[in-house]
Amino acid sequence: DTAVSQTPKYLVTQMGNDKSIKCEQNLGHDTMYWYKQDSKKFLKIMFSYNNKELIINETVPNRFSPKSPDKAHLNLHINSLELGDSAVYFCASSLEGGSYEQYFGPGTRLTVT
Amino acid sequence: AQTVTQSQPEMSVQEAETVTLSCTYDTSESDYYLFWYKQPPSRQMILVIRQEAYKQQNATENRFSVNFQKAAKSFSLKISDSQLGDAAMYFCAYRRWGGSNYKLTFGKGTLLTVNP
Repeated sequence: DTAVSQTPKYLVTQMGNDKSIKCEQNLGHDTMYWYKQDSKKFLKIMFSYNNKELIINETVPNRFSPKSPDKAHLNLHINSLELGDSAVYFCASSLEGGSYEQYFGPGTRLTVT
Repeated sequence: AQTVTQSQPEMSVQEAETVTLSCTYDTSESDYYLFWYKQPPSRQMILVIRQEAYKQQNATENRFSVNFQKAAKSFSLKISDSQLGDAAMYFCAYRRWGGSNYKLTFGKGTLLTVNP
């Protein structure tokens, strides 16, 4: 059984479009994250949700809007896509506190043409 | 803000030999966690090893061990008896101890090649 899943794994779209990436975890975790990995492989936090509440918003353009309908899901909606949004987006989850490991999804490679 | 630096963009090692990947970090906090993650070509992020800053003993996981020097803010990863499957991008990461901000702050990564 997949612990953290993301759909789709690949997404190719044109500039100006709106797209969503879905994330689901079946680990019973209460905290979920979105990270962006750029073309140079640099990983950076975008958002974090704890029990459906936004905890971290790391100066991400407001074209990006996360939504957490419940503790097991954290979706990422992107409006008016730009070339610079091309990247791999990773969802992750963990339990709050302690040294709990963050479990990563397989990533979604977004290509904006 | 915390920063993590990996000064070796690329490293290579012969199969069965030992390699050490470097990581330094900057923080004003006394308690925190440090991690090494592996990202093979499959893109999946895999936790290799973790270290709690309050522990003096270096963490070890099978062929993987760390050299944690808190005063020097250094956290290197040693891979012994390197295997072809160890070839991957390796990321060093920092996480705060307390509060509600559990984000991982990553270094830029080291690409490890294992030569047969």
